[in-house]
Amino acid sequence: QITLKESGPTLVKPTQTLTLTCTFSGFSFISSGVGVGWIRQPPGKALEWLALIYWDEDKRYSPSLKSRLTITKDTPKNQVVLTMTDMDPVDTATYYCARTIYGSGSHYDYWGQGTLVTVSS
Amino acid sequence: SSELTQDPAVSVALGQTVRITCQGDSLRNYHASWYQQKPGRAPVLVIYGEKNRPSGIPDRFSGSSLGNTASLTITGAQAEDEADYYCNSRDSSGNHVFGTGTKVTVL
Repeated sequence: QITLKESGPTLVKPTQTLTLTCTFSGFSFISSGVGVGWIRQPPGKALEWLALIYWDEDKRYSPSLKSRLTITKDTPKNQVVLTMTDMDPVDTATYYCARTIYGSGSHYDYWGQGTLVTVSS
Repeated sequence: SSELTQDPAVSVALGQTVRITCQGDSLRNYHASWYQQKPGRAPVLVIYGEKNRPSGIPDRFSGSSLGNTASLTITGAQAEDEADYYCNSRDSSGNHVFGTGTKVTVL
């Protein structure tokens, strides 16, 4: 059974750095092709792709947010960490992590439940 | 550009057929996938690789593509199909992108 779960602060202040952790089970970065991405959704708005890391450390970032994002992985712990600097109220959103497989397209077949992050002073 | 554009909303009568479209230059070279999202829930993959259905997805969901437009068709829409639908694909740099979303109302 494949599961993913996001964790991190529910409230951050403007200008602070957000650190989110995705902890997963049922698959591993030891397997070739495995990738984990982050996607966010502001309240009432569309999904927005943020970043992606593959089993081989290849990383991709949203061009519009690249300067603020860092994605890393901890293979033994089955975790992926996303940091976003200089948070602003417009970054208030539900943040999801999800699994993808390199070479199979760009789809995400398993998703976490999401975690709501509010940016407010 | 890697943007994917969808109609904001469509409606369909119960049991009828509805097609949701997704337009973008990247779709000429890369397949689209589709997600269903109900309020307060995470998205669920319903179509991948343009026309493949994951296990457990009803066969009333189908996908197709032509040129820069991908389509998701629901044949015989059910009340439980009322949801937001998003397409996604990638660009030539390997970056992923999601569409603007379509709200489907079943009348």
